[in-house]
Amino acid sequence: DAGVIQSPRHEVTEMGQEVTLRCKPISGHNSLFWYRQTMMRGLELLIYFNNNVPIDDSGMPEDRFSAKMPNASFSTLKIQPSEPRDSAVYFCASSFIGGNTEAFFGQGTRLTVV
Amino acid sequence: DQQVKQNSPSLSVQEGRISILNCDYTNSMFDYFLWYKKYPAEGPTFLISISSIKDKNEDGRFTVFLNKSAKHLSLHIVPSQPGDSAVYFCAAPLSNFGNEKLTFGTGTRLTIIP
Repeated sequence: DAGVIQSPRHEVTEMGQEVTLRCKPISGHNSLFWYRQTMMRGLELLIYFNNNVPIDDSGMPEDRFSAKMPNASFSTLKIQPSEPRDSAVYFCASSFIGGNTEAFFGQGTRLTVV
Repeated sequence: DQQVKQNSPSLSVQEGRISILNCDYTNSMFDYFLWYKKYPAEGPTFLISISSIKDKNEDGRFTVFLNKSAKHLSLHIVPSQPGDSAVYFCAAPLSNFGNEKLTFGTGTRLTIIP
């Protein structure tokens, strides 16, 4: 397996534009997580899915953020409209929940909103 | 509300010496802990874990110690090597109705000095 695949690796957009980040989890994993990394808060969990169902979105900062997982092999994180303070690295991770297994992370998407 | 805390944002250690990274947690429900390592422009990768039924887990140069009464864990790297320079995150999964979400600390940047 190629691991967790995120696209794009880098995204630069203007304030007010819609941004969509994409993630392909590891095949066979049943949980998917979206994290945001900032200097102040480290790795902050935004939302996680189990069996394609959103379980906890309490970390989503505002209504401007939304996430979907239409099937077991694809998820999106959308920001609309984007703001400069959304600039961060966004990571997707997947795991198989059912035992003490670790989450595997993608390489991240570095988002810059100007 | 940070349930997993890493109070040292950075640490510098001479090559060959021992590196000790610390992590404190507040939630007594945590029963499993993980350490992740992150290089620049890459996603975090799993390093080592420990279950709460143990107080020590060793894997090569890496050892994690758990002190449940103090709600404290530490990662020891000995001997430290230049390739160990990275950001280290401690994490814990919080189980909720059979689902788990990983909560991370803010990370400690370890620099190994040749």
